[in-house]
Amino acid sequence: KQEVTQIPAALSVPEGENLVLNCSFTDSAIYNLQWFRQDPGKGLTSLLLIQSSQREQTSGRLNASLDKSSGRSTLYIAASQPGDSATYLCAVGSISSGSARQLTFGSGTQLTVLP
Amino acid sequence: SQTIHQWPATLVQPVGSPLSLECTVEGTSNPNLYWYRQAAGRGLQLLFYSVGIGQISSEVPQNLSASRPQDRQFILSSKKLLLSDSGFYLCAWSLGQGQAEAFFGQGTRLTVV
Repeated sequence: KQEVTQIPAALSVPEGENLVLNCSFTDSAIYNLQWFRQDPGKGLTSLLLIQSSQREQTSGRLNASLDKSSGRSTLYIAASQPGDSATYLCAVGSISSGSARQLTFGSGTQLTVLP
Repeated sequence: SQTIHQWPATLVQPVGSPLSLECTVEGTSNPNLYWYRQAAGRGLQLLFYSVGIGQISSEVPQNLSASRPQDRQFILSSKKLLLSDSGFYLCAWSLGQGQAEAFFGQGTRLTVV
């Protein structure tokens, strides 16, 4: 059974800092890995999707890496801003028994960027 | 462009009452559809998924059921709610069998009292 762990559970940084969020998973037989952002009381916004054959993806100030063999992914946020404050969720995609893609989520990292 | 709609946004229901949450997707055909639940302080848990009309798979035994009466409509139901059914329910969709990105709705906050 796939298990996904995110460290740290919470992080507080001053504005302008670069930061790294960590995600680890136990089963390396994955299809892809997706990073999401969740604002309080809201749904999930997809940030980056990394296919299992890829090593990293970039979007603006965000860079996500994937090391499937070691079961790790990182989300790097450059020049953090107060608007980046949210919970960041890592989700690993695999195929369930019914052949539909299933996401297994970590518990998230709650990020606070202080102005 | 594709959009996903979930309603209602919030719901307060007494124990023992029925439940019906609806999710619809626009701008795509034959999507995979999912219901997740996010309990307070815990990660998202997959409840149901569907690869086509009338095809429902359940990931965990529970007090809930799901139906897909139309290609882009996914409904989460219960005949009698329990206190433990409280949580944040999220609908999601994706295309294909493996590599596609998943997109989520804005969620429904259900409080059972």
